Amino acid sequence: TQLLEQSPQFLSIQEGENLTVYCNSSSVFSSLQWYRQEPGEGPVLLVTVVTGGEVKKLKRLTFQFGDARKDSSLHITAAQPGDTGLYLCAESIYNQGGKLIFGQGTELSVKP
Amino acid sequence: DTGVSQDPRHKITKRGQNVTFRCDPISEHNRLYWYRQTLGQGPEFLTYFQNEAQLEKSRLLSDRFSAERPKGSFSTLEIQRTEQGDSAMYLCASSPHRLTYEQYFGPGTRLTVT
Repeated sequence: TQLLEQSPQFLSIQEGENLTVYCNSSSVFSSLQWYRQEPGEGPVLLVTVVTGGEVKKLKRLTFQFGDARKDSSLHITAAQPGDTGLYLCAESIYNQGGKLIFGQGTELSVKP
Repeated sequence: DTGVSQDPRHKITKRGQNVTFRCDPISEHNRLYWYRQTLGQGPEFLTYFQNEAQLEKSRLLSDRFSAERPKGSFSTLEIQRTEQGDSAMYLCASSPHRLTYEQYFGPGTRLTVT
């Protein structure tokens, strides 16, 4: 079974700082999705990356997929309190109906 | 709003009782998934449907759990003889028939078994 490791597990920063969270796997990802989850709510899809070396931007968020498709990172520039939440990476298992295998998440707190 | 909806949002029950949750997916999404999430963890896959067919069940889904998706629209997840270990957030997601299998989640049902 694919094992996804996210780091760091917790991150507390001040507004305006930059940060990077990581998602690593023991084997090659089919495709990788990043989600953000607020307390008491379901995860919200941020981005899907498929191609090794791919970079996608979503406003202040930059997502990278490793060349070997075994790792991914999420970089946030000038973090804001509204970025607070649980950031989850997940692999979509294509030959099992696209079910998602999630990492344990990175809990981000951005203080004003 | 045409997102995924779940009902109820919160459920408190006593150990040994049966509970049923409902999920209404995004219209025309043919895949529907159930996940369970405990505090401090990422969601764990339970089962999924393509249209009305249940195609995979996780070993996490004991025989006390049953899921249905009659007519390929809404889905229900029933837990019989609830145990305290069943306390968790139960999430439903739906996905269109696209190559990347992007999933759209509902707000979840928070179950507390006392």
